[in-house]
Amino acid sequence: DTAVSQTPKYLVTQMGNDKSIKCEQNLGHDTMYWYKQDSKKFLKIMFSYNNKELIINETVPNRFSPKSPDKAHLNLHINSLELGDSAVYFCASSKPGLAYEQYFGPGTRLTVT
Amino acid sequence: GDSVTQMEGPVTLSEEAFLTINCTYTATGYPSLFWYVQYPGEGLQLLLKATKADDKGSNKGFEATYRKETTSFHLEKGSVQVSDSAVYFCALSDQSNTGKLIFGQGTTLQVKP
Repeated sequence: DTAVSQTPKYLVTQMGNDKSIKCEQNLGHDTMYWYKQDSKKFLKIMFSYNNKELIINETVPNRFSPKSPDKAHLNLHINSLELGDSAVYFCASSKPGLAYEQYFGPGTRLTVT
Repeated sequence: GDSVTQMEGPVTLSEEAFLTINCTYTATGYPSLFWYVQYPGEGLQLLLKATKADDKGSNKGFEATYRKETTSFHLEKGSVQVSDSAVYFCALSDQSNTGKLIFGQGTTLQVKP
């Protein structure tokens, strides 16, 4: 039983392309997050949605657009990919009242060439 | 702004050695503090937490005590195993109650048999 799943696990693409990463959680949580982990393992939050409403939007380029069709899904669409977007992207979720106890997916390694 | 600083890695230990990974923080107010662990190829998992000064979080033989006077939350384990090899992240919650976690840079632990 996968709690937080992401697809794809690996994504290799060229500069300028548009790509999406999907995330689903079956934990019944109402808040979901996207994090970016760079090559030095530094982890930074990008977005957070609570019940399909955007509540955290860090200083992320407009090329990144999260979409939450329902509270179990949070997808990340990236336009006009750049070399600097290469990273591991993690989805996470948390339950009501315990926002800081987050459950992470396995990550999507994005490589832009 | 709020920040978390961890000791530089990698930390290499022999099995059954004592582990300390230092973590200090800067924050306004009274954040909650966390240790997350990332095993190779996986997402992060919550290891332990402490929500107020002098609280001790513990799990799987790991412990950390919230020290307000020294703004520290050092992770310790009395006897490490090869299976503890992973990247360990110290984190704090910001005061916005949105679930935003601020992570340290991570410390890689390698335990040799």
